[in-house]
Amino acid sequence: GAGVSQSPSNKVTEKGKDVELRCDPISGHTALYWYRQSLGQGLEFLIYFQGNSAPDKSGLPSDRFSAERTGGSVSTLTIQRTQQEDSAVYLCASSPRWGKSGNTIYFGEGSWLTVV
Amino acid sequence: DAKTTQPPSMDCAEGRAANLPCNHSTISGNEYVYWYRQIHSQGPQYIIHGLKNNETNEMASLIITEDRKSSTLILPHATLRDTAVYYCIVRVDNAGNMLTFGGGTRLMVKP
Repeated sequence: GAGVSQSPSNKVTEKGKDVELRCDPISGHTALYWYRQSLGQGLEFLIYFQGNSAPDKSGLPSDRFSAERTGGSVSTLTIQRTQQEDSAVYLCASSPRWGKSGNTIYFGEGSWLTVV
Repeated sequence: DAKTTQPPSMDCAEGRAANLPCNHSTISGNEYVYWYRQIHSQGPQYIIHGLKNNETNEMASLIITEDRKSSTLILPHATLRDTAVYYCIVRVDNAGNMLTFGGGTRLMVKP
């Protein structure tokens, strides 16, 4: 597609339920990133993928969070047993190449998650 | 990544140039200066980036001082739609290639 596509754009879920958030990066982009932003707060880096592998998962807030990427394209961020503090906008981004400076990152419009 | 310092907020009159400063005194030789903006809580929008030379595109101009310790983003004719939080970011080469966002500058364009 022309840009980074995320779905759903909005999700309201009950506390304790699992949610999956999907990211479709710009075609041909090998690097993919997940961030989240709570209301009125800054952007918090969660995880990145180089191809299908995620070298560093330390940014994930807890073991309830996991992410995968298949085929070097689509990525899914899964939150298990959601809590109210998980309410935030989850932003996905992608960039063309890995490990090269001057490599512009482009963001999607985000998935708004509300846990009630 | 080198840290950046930006004023927390600025005002600009509609139609005038908005000049947003950024200090990055500890920048390394291989770090680029990137600017993004975020309107409400939409995804950050890429504006411009540069290494040493001044850069210009359809959105803005980027002026980097000769010692690279500071830069200025210039929106030549600000409109109300330019009201946003503007982030200045410098990136370490081969460090996960990610962006680390600071507090940014909240630019308010006023009629």
